[in-house]
Amino acid sequence: DSGVTQTPKHLITATGQRVTLRCSPRSGDLSVYWYQQSLDQGLQFLIQYYNGEERAKGNILERFSAQQFPDLHSELNLSSLELGDSALYFCASSVGYQGQPQHFGDGTRLSIL
Amino acid sequence: AQKVTQAQTEISVVEKEDVTLDCVYETRDTTYYLFWYKQPPSGELVFLIRRNSFDEQNEISGRYSWNFQKSTSSFNFTITASQVVDSAVYFCALSETGANSKLTFGKGITLSVRP
Repeated sequence: DSGVTQTPKHLITATGQRVTLRCSPRSGDLSVYWYQQSLDQGLQFLIQYYNGEERAKGNILERFSAQQFPDLHSELNLSSLELGDSALYFCASSVGYQGQPQHFGDGTRLSIL
Repeated sequence: AQKVTQAQTEISVVEKEDVTLDCVYETRDTTYYLFWYKQPPSGELVFLIRRNSFDEQNEISGRYSWNFQKSTSSFNFTITASQVVDSAVYFCALSETGANSKLTFGKGITLSVRP
């Protein structure tokens, strides 16, 4: 058990819809990262927050947004969903942000029908 | 730009065989970090090891060992006396210092250990 909690584990929805994925980091971790894992793209970094502030962005689509709340949990919002958004979405957390191990949650599997 | 290459895509061995998973990386940074993660069939990503660029000492943890060679930009992972429970996808990853400490992952190596 990594200590990172992601909900829900599975999500099935339709094209055009909007979903919210939730992540609670390990106790004491201030950084939260979001990654997308798909068969064609592999594991791709989306966005990072540190202590409530956005720190870095990857190839995150404009239809996607995220935030980290004062209690350090984070949410990833995906809107206007397309078939290609079907993937496993991971949240990871670390104590700081320089080279420390990132511990991953179990992921949310998103299926778009 | 940083890049991680795992040229092997699938490896199949018989239990008790030793197996080495290769990882080659590219970075312009002088300070960076290398990682290995395991993704078993259940899907979670499990952290195995972190190495910083200034520490080229090999590391051993039980049946696992890692060989870091800056001269060849490689960070290889060896499993000794493999077991069926080692069957998983193994990812090598790189993190640079600076504003973005994201992990850049290789494509992963699927290891199957047959009884």
